[in-house]
Amino acid sequence: KNEVEQSPQNLTAQEGEFITINCSYSVGISALHWLQQHPGGGIVSLFMLSSGKKKHGRLIATINIQEKHSSLHITASHPRDSAVYICAVGGSQGNLIFGKGTKLSVKP
Amino acid sequence: DAGVTQSPTHLIKTRGQQVTLRCSPKSGHDTVSWYQQALGQGPQFIFQYYEEEERQRGNFPDRFSGHQFPNYSSELNVNALLLGDSALYLCASSRNMGRLGYGYTFGSGTRLTVV
Repeated sequence: KNEVEQSPQNLTAQEGEFITINCSYSVGISALHWLQQHPGGGIVSLFMLSSGKKKHGRLIATINIQEKHSSLHITASHPRDSAVYICAVGGSQGNLIFGKGTKLSVKP
Repeated sequence: DAGVTQSPTHLIKTRGQQVTLRCSPKSGHDTVSWYQQALGQGPQFIFQYYEEEERQRGNFPDRFSGHQFPNYSSELNVNALLLGDSALYLCASSRNMGRLGYGYTFGSGTRLTVV
């Protein structure tokens, strides 16, 4: 069993839909990261959170430490949101453990 | 303020050869971590450098080695390349080994193809 599990693996949505990507982890963490990766490889950090909820524009990230679960929500999705979204957890020593990613495709 | 810079962006090598990849961290960051991302997979941790020493290492063979320079830049070296080493190699920088909740900044990666 992977230490970081994401679901779904693939997600297709229509423009304007509300999107949720889930992440569950089994290790102790200091922080959880949501990352965005576009074709070509570059990774952009969206959120780093250790408790509660954070919002940036149309993106919202939540974490439940007791349940070891986090969600990334995208409101009013747009084709430019199409990318791979990766959940990664930071261990006490600082290294990151990544999920396999969720490939999101938003159709116009 | 420059982010993380990786070079080269693409590289093709022959099986058995050696390769060196380079990473310059974000200004103000002192920690560099390297990750290997195979096609369709999440990145896998190779190792982390802080204060010019390897501090942590993932499950990678000794063919993978690295170095950190006094200016915090880093190199990843892979010897005796195998076809399975073909992947995107990502560098991420942080402060204080990423502890205390410091965030990470990622480079765009080096795409290595071994033929």
